[in-house]
Amino acid sequence: EVQLVESGGVVVQPGGSLRLSCAASGFTFDDYAMHWVRQAPGKGLEWVSLISWDGDITYYADSVKGRFTISRDNSKNSLYLQMNSLRVEDSALYFCAKVSSVAGGFDSWGHGTLVTVTS
Amino acid sequence: SYELTQPLSMSVALGQTARITCGGNNIGSRNLHWYQQKPGQAPVLVIYKDTKRPSGIPERFSGSNSGNTATLTISRAQAGDEADYHCQVWDNSTFVVFGGGTKLTVL
Repeated sequence: EVQLVESGGVVVQPGGSLRLSCAASGFTFDDYAMHWVRQAPGKGLEWVSLISWDGDITYYADSVKGRFTISRDNSKNSLYLQMNSLRVEDSALYFCAKVSSVAGGFDSWGHGTLVTVTS
Repeated sequence: SYELTQPLSMSVALGQTARITCGGNNIGSRNLHWYQQKPGQAPVLVIYKDTKRPSGIPERFSGSNSGNTATLTISRAQAGDEADYHCQVWDNSTFVVFGGGTKLTVL
């Protein structure tokens, strides 16, 4: 069974930094690109970033480009999101997610980790 | 950048058919995916590539995609179908695009 477990979400002040982690199990982690998707309270889903299976290719939403860095450690089956220069509008539940190679959609999601940016 | 438009909310009577739309420019030329999200839970893929159902998703859920509108149809709506529904496509410039989500209420 595929499991994605996020951690690292806390309350942080504007301008602060945070590192989120996602522990993966139940599938061959280094066969898949991985994504971060966030959801502000009461809002829709917003894609944040993706990383290729080997970590060589990364993409970011314009809203986080230059401030967030996605990375992975395939030896630890782990995905990370380094978040710098945090803003109030970055407050959200952050999900890691995997895309199905067959379906083309996100077939596995973690439960999310909550980031709150407030002074 | 590519945008997907969904109604904010809609309601359906118990046992009736709900049709949730997702609009976008020539969306019919793209593979469209639908997710169901219940309060406090992660999204669940219910329709992929416009019309296909992942294993475990009831046949009551179906999808279509043509022209500028994709539709998720939920037949014989049940109380357990009450949730937020999100549509999603891939885009060459912005990679992943989600609609704003539709809150479905079953009356």
